[in-house]
Amino acid sequence: DTAVSQTPKYLVTQMGNDKSIKCEQNLGHDTMYWYKQDSKKFLKIMFSYNNKELIINETVPNRFSPKSPDKAHLNLHINSLELGDSAVYFCASSQLAGGNEQFFGPGTRLTVL
Amino acid sequence: GQQVMQIPQYQHVQEGEDFTTYCNSSTTLSNIQWYKQRPGGHPVFLIQLVKSGEVKKQKRLTFQFGEAKKNSSLHITATQTTDVGTYFCAGPTGNQFYFGTGTSLTVIP
Repeated sequence: DTAVSQTPKYLVTQMGNDKSIKCEQNLGHDTMYWYKQDSKKFLKIMFSYNNKELIINETVPNRFSPKSPDKAHLNLHINSLELGDSAVYFCASSQLAGGNEQFFGPGTRLTVL
Repeated sequence: GQQVMQIPQYQHVQEGEDFTTYCNSSTTLSNIQWYKQRPGGHPVFLIQLVKSGEVKKQKRLTFQFGEAKKNSSLHITATQTTDVGTYFCAGPTGNQFYFGTGTSLTVIP
């Protein structure tokens, strides 16, 4: 069973489009995260949710909107995609907030043309 | 702002040689975690250190957390081709969480 899953694995789209990436974890964890990894492999946290509530919201454009319908899901919606949004997006989860071991999903490679 | 830097950014070693990556944070971290990301893969948790000055070993890997809880190191003895990947340190400060810039290790057989 996959612990943290993301869909889709690859996403190729045109500039200006709106797209969503879905994430689900079956570990029973309370906290979920979205990370962006750029071409230089820098991993930057974007959002963190604990029990469906936003606890970390780094400086990201407001075109990015996370949504957590329940504790097991954290989806990422991106409006008006730009070339600079091209990256690998990772979802992750941890038992608790505040620095526990994080389990990462396989990533979604987003390419904006 | 908060930064967690790692050096070197890239390292090529012959199989059998040792390897060390260093992690430095501009602020004190509550704990330090290390992750490994294989090429094309996702980060995988290796270990967490919590106490100042703590040292932990996992087979050929030795992890240290600095006395001031602002730096850490990962040392691999006698590298193998399976060690290839990018190694990240990471840790929380306040309610924020930061990953280091990563060290990409290539092992030449």
